[in-house]
Amino acid sequence: AQTVTQSQPEMSVQEAETVTLSCTYDTSESNYYLFWYKQPPSRQMILVIRQEAYKQQNATENRFSVNFQKAAKSFSLKISDSQLGDTAMYFCAFRGGTSYGKLTFGQGTILTVHP
Amino acid sequence: DAGVIQSPRHEVTEMGQEVTLRCKPISGHNSLFWYRQTMMRGLELLIYFNNNVPIDDSGMPEDRFSAKMPNASFSTLKIQPSEPRDSAVYFCASSVQMNTEAFFGQGTRLTVV
Repeated sequence: AQTVTQSQPEMSVQEAETVTLSCTYDTSESNYYLFWYKQPPSRQMILVIRQEAYKQQNATENRFSVNFQKAAKSFSLKISDSQLGDTAMYFCAFRGGTSYGKLTFGQGTILTVHP
Repeated sequence: DAGVIQSPRHEVTEMGQEVTLRCKPISGHNSLFWYRQTMMRGLELLIYFNNNVPIDDSGMPEDRFSAKMPNASFSTLKIQPSEPRDSAVYFCASSVQMNTEAFFGQGTRLTVV
């Protein structure tokens, strides 16, 4: 069974600084997808970024980028030039290809951006 | 596109009552997920469907919980009888394929008193 672990319950960063959120996962599959979701106080779940395991290049979406280390089963999220609107809970998620696409989430990391 | 639509947004009910949560996935999506979110347990996958067929319901807490997907555009999660410990936010999500991202509804905040 796949598991996703986020070891940082809370993080904080100053506005305009860079912060990295950690995520590790465990799976025996070779083909899978990884995601980061953001949940602001409004509780809406918003997709931030996705990474296909077969792609070696790290995904980037504007200020958000990932460091995907397949051998280490690590998938961290880097937020550059942090903004107050980035304050939210961030979830790492795994979706495998051999389990009919079961989507498993980590415990979440609460990120607070301070002015 | 209207997105995933859940109803109601908020539900307050008395212990022992039946509760039904509803979800309309995005048109054309063939995977549907039900999650429960609490402070203590985080985001738990309860059950998910592919092409209207339940694939994995191992996350359903107990027999009081049941889920159905009678067609591609509608799903329900029922709790009977409800208990205070069922109080949580329940999310429905859908995706177009098995290996793509899921899109979430706004969630239903359930309070059982």
